[in-house]
Amino acid sequence: DQQVKQNSPSLSVQEGRISILNCDYTNSMFDYFLWYKKYPAEGPTFLISISSIKDKNEDGRFTVFLNKSAKHLSLHIVPSQPGDSAVYFCAAIPPGAGSYQLTFGKGTKLSVIP
Amino acid sequence: SQTIHQWPATLVQPVGSPLSLECTVEGTSNPNLYWYRQAAGRGLQLLFYSVGIGQISSEVPQNLSASRPQDRQFILSSKKLLLSDSGFYLCAWSPNTDTQYFGPGTRLTVL
Repeated sequence: DQQVKQNSPSLSVQEGRISILNCDYTNSMFDYFLWYKKYPAEGPTFLISISSIKDKNEDGRFTVFLNKSAKHLSLHIVPSQPGDSAVYFCAAIPPGAGSYQLTFGKGTKLSVIP
Repeated sequence: SQTIHQWPATLVQPVGSPLSLECTVEGTSNPNLYWYRQAAGRGLQLLFYSVGIGQISSEVPQNLSASRPQDRQFILSSKKLLLSDSGFYLCAWSPNTDTQYFGPGTRLTVL
């Protein structure tokens, strides 16, 4: 039972344009969400997070939006750069569980075309 | 600053052989520690986590085991590897907050 879903396994975007990576979740109890970026043969790198008390968090070129009613979050990358090409994982944590309850999606591979 | 190490970086092992992967964390005390596996075409699967020395929780029953002999050391083991154990193994730590930080990973190929 996949509680965190990334329905697009891959996405191609032109350099300089916006990349939008989507993530849906089924557990309404999740209250903290994270995005990780992973290059091949490397460990995931933490990118940005958002608490359920917010609907937007921004860090440089990266913005995460949370729509609690739709159980949907998205990661926007503007402008996209070739170095952003990687697999992006969405993750979620239920309240009070501690980070060992981090539940990951299966990832979306982003390709930024020069 | 905190750093996390894993070794070896790559490993090729025959079916039925034992396994030992090591993970160490520097620059922090009493971290939560985790072992994940990323198999081809799949997401990150949590295998084990530990909230303290000698405290191991298993998420997926299989022929793997984990141990935490020291505060900042986490070991993943197997007595007999299976072909299905091939994958990319990741160690992670968290400072008792919501964010986990990952090591560089170990690519394991079982032949």
